[in-house]
Amino acid sequence: DQQVKQNSPSLSVQEGRISILNCDYTNSMFDYFLWYKKYPAEGPTFLISISSIKDKNEDGRFTVFLNKSAKHLSLHIVPSQPGDSAVYFCAASSGQFYFGTGTSLTVIP
Amino acid sequence: DTAVSQTPKYLVTQMGNDKSIKCEQNLGHDTMYWYKQDSKKFLKIMFSYNNKELIINETVPNRFSPKSPDKAHLNLHINSLELGDSAVYFCASNQAGRLPSRANVLTFGAGSRLTVL
Repeated sequence: DQQVKQNSPSLSVQEGRISILNCDYTNSMFDYFLWYKKYPAEGPTFLISISSIKDKNEDGRFTVFLNKSAKHLSLHIVPSQPGDSAVYFCAASSGQFYFGTGTSLTVIP
Repeated sequence: DTAVSQTPKYLVTQMGNDKSIKCEQNLGHDTMYWYKQDSKKFLKIMFSYNNKELIINETVPNRFSPKSPDKAHLNLHINSLELGDSAVYFCASNQAGRLPSRANVLTFGAGSRLTVL
């Protein structure tokens, strides 16, 4: 039973435009949400996170939005760069971490 | 200076064999994990060890046996390998405690791709 879902397996965006990656979760006990980025043949690396007491967290080009009522979070990357091409995993935690299946982002130069 | 290192990176073996994957972290974290990423790209936790003690053991066949000689190492031994064991296995570590501390965020190794023929 998947508690964290990323329904878009892939996304292509032109360089300089905004990339929006989406994630849904089912467990209302999750109190912390994270995004990880993964390049081929490497492990996932932490990108940005948000606590359930906030609805937005920004770090440079990356912003995570949390909508608790909809149990939905999103990652915005603007402007997108070719180096952002990777698989992005959404994760949620209530002590234990649960991951989505990832969205493969391709930024086209 | 790799924070979480796993060996081997690639492992190809025959069904029925026994194999081990090793993991070491130099972050001073007290909790280590094994995750499995299957063909559907789902990252699922297998085991978690805190200070050498097992704290999470998800529904995993008992052919999989984790061993933690100290809190910086967590090895995964797999007996009687089956075709369905083919996957990428990720080791991870963090400092136990409630988020939002940066130390509580999982740090992953590069993964070990196991192929069972």
